[in-house]
Parts: sequence; structure tokens; C-alpha cells
Amino acid sequence: NAGVTQTPKFQVLKTGQSMTLQCAQDMNHNSMYWYRQDPGMGLRLIYYSASEGTTDKGEVPNGYNVSRLNKREFSLRLESAAPSQTSVYFCASSEPLAGGPDTQYFGPGTRLTVL
Amino acid sequence: RKEVEQDPGPFNVPEGATVAFNCTYSNSASQSFFWYRQDCRKEPKLLMSVYSSGNEDGRFTAQLNRASQYISLLIRDSKLSDSATYLCVVDANDYKLSFGAGTTVTVRA
Repeated sequence: NAGVTQTPKFQVLKTGQSMTLQCAQDMNHNSMYWYRQDPGMGLRLIYYSASEGTTDKGEVPNGYNVSRLNKREFSLRLESAAPSQTSVYFCASSEPLAGGPDTQYFGPGTRLTVL
Repeated sequence: RKEVEQDPGPFNVPEGATVAFNCTYSNSASQSFFWYRQDCRKEPKLLMSVYSSGNEDGRFTAQLNRASQYISLLIRDSKLSDSATYLCVVDANDYKLSFGAGTTVTVRA
């Protein structure tokens, strides 16, 4: 099993360009998440998808859109990149238990720089 | 106020030493608690869940204090390979998690 995979690993954009970050998991998990990680800050949730066909905003959704293409894939789109979106982006998946959150498994991350 | 706060460190300790650090959380309704480990330029990975009664996994011991709303992690007999950033993680709501900014531990030979 590959677990959670993300592409690309690195990306440099100019302000105003758009791009889509891809994420796929092969663990048959229902829930998937997109986070960003900035120096000195914890991971912040951008969007999540509790199950196929549903998406919800997290803590910092502005400037992003998501698509839960199927149970395996969850993409993150930057429509018009801004320097403030320079960050490391992590995708994660989990299979929540009835009593609460289960372990989240993370992809290797995408390092994005917006000039 | 941040939902999860951690001392960023770094904690610099010699091999074989014991190191311990805490994190505090603000949501008294939180039910699930975890420690994740993140190596430099890598993704976070679950180190251990934290149970109400406290739990141990080899050289790692986690404790939960609900009254004071803090979680602790203790590492005994530190190894060079324990050098990493340790993330305190607490459930927020609707199966989402809140992550602390991390405590960096450096074990020196």
C-alpha cells in the first residue's frame, strides 16, 4: 500500500497563477483533509471531506477550492495564487470511529512557493 | 487563544537522558488526544494516542490531566533517533483535529 500520495512535491508559482494539488489514498478511508503548515504554527485545516460527495471549510479556506473526485482522491485548487499561500501543504486521510477521530495518515507534502 | 499550545523548545538533551514536555488545550470538551512525531521536512506520523489513565509505549509515556487541561510526553533513555518535533494533537469537533505548533527535541551524542 502506498498510503497517501501527493503531487507535485515542489512547485513555484507566480502571483496570480493557478494550480491544483493532487492527493490520493489507497486505505479506503472515508475522510480526507487538506492542511497547510507554516513556520511556528501548527497545521491549519483548509478544507476537509467527511465522505465522498461532501466537502466543508476548515479554519483557513479563503483562496482555495477543493474537489472530492471519488473516495480515493481529494484535490486542492489555488485559483489565483498569492505570496501568503507560500507554505507546505499536507493531505491526510482517516477512518473516524463512532466515538471520535481516528488516526490521520499524512502524505509527504507539497512545498509551494508563490513569488 | 490558540486551541493547543506547546513550548517550542528546543530541548537539547544528551543520549540516555530523560526529557519531558507538556502541551495545554483550551477545549474542555475534547475527548481524544494524540502525540504525533514530525521529522525535518517530513510528514507528521502518529506516535501514540493518550488515554485518560495514562499510557506507555516503550520508552515513551503520555499522561492526560483533564482538570488542568494538559497533556504530557516523557521520553526515557533518549536516542539520537528521537530527535524530531513532537506535535500535540487534540480533537476539535466533527472529527477534526487541532495541532500544536510542536516541541523540538534534539538528542546529542
